[in-house]
Amino acid sequence: EAGVVQSPRYKIIEKKQPVAFWCNPISGHNTLYWYLQNLGQGPELLIRYENEEAVDDSQLPKDRFSAERLKGVDSTLKIQPAELGDSAVYLCASSLDTSSYNEQFFGPGTRLTVL
Amino acid sequence: AQTVTQSQPEMSVQEAETVTLSCTYDTSESNYYLFWYKQPPSRQMILVIRQEAYKQQNATENRFSVNFQKAAKSFSLKISDSQLGDTAMYFCAFRRGSQGNLIFGKGTKLSVKP
Repeated sequence: EAGVVQSPRYKIIEKKQPVAFWCNPISGHNTLYWYLQNLGQGPELLIRYENEEAVDDSQLPKDRFSAERLKGVDSTLKIQPAELGDSAVYLCASSLDTSSYNEQFFGPGTRLTVL
Repeated sequence: AQTVTQSQPEMSVQEAETVTLSCTYDTSESNYYLFWYKQPPSRQMILVIRQEAYKQQNATENRFSVNFQKAAKSFSLKISDSQLGDTAMYFCAFRRGSQGNLIFGKGTKLSVKP
């Protein structure tokens, strides 16, 4: 079974530039999560999708961040414009549904460096 | 609000020995789940072990076991017979019983030395 796929693995951009991250969850997983992991910290949720609906985006900085999950499968997270403080690892995870019992499977992440 | 605290930023252990990683949490919920995740240098987070709060019996998965003390809100991870491949960041995480997001601690960097 293929795991959660993310691309790119690494991205270096200059501040004020836009950037986008892509995530393909495990087949059949209805719930998709985007997490932000700063250096030396645990992941923090940015947004959670149930199918194509964003059900929790309270931690997403909506002035510069946006996300979409078309057709309830793949998802894209965008930052525009990027700031120096956005340098971090962006993790995508998926689970069968939102039941707390169900395991969340994580992708390898995208490491963003903003210069 | 729930919080998760890991008080050991770094730990090291000799190969084949046993090590215990500490985790405490704060919540007013009665139904919840606790997890330990492993994040090797390649960055892919992997579930190590899971504990349901309503279960008194401590979870075990091969060399990994937990000491769950609900009254003390403590959830430590014991790794027996440590192997070089256990070298990683270990994150303790909390999740409400109904549904909810994972709330992670800051992690403990474990180094297993030959």
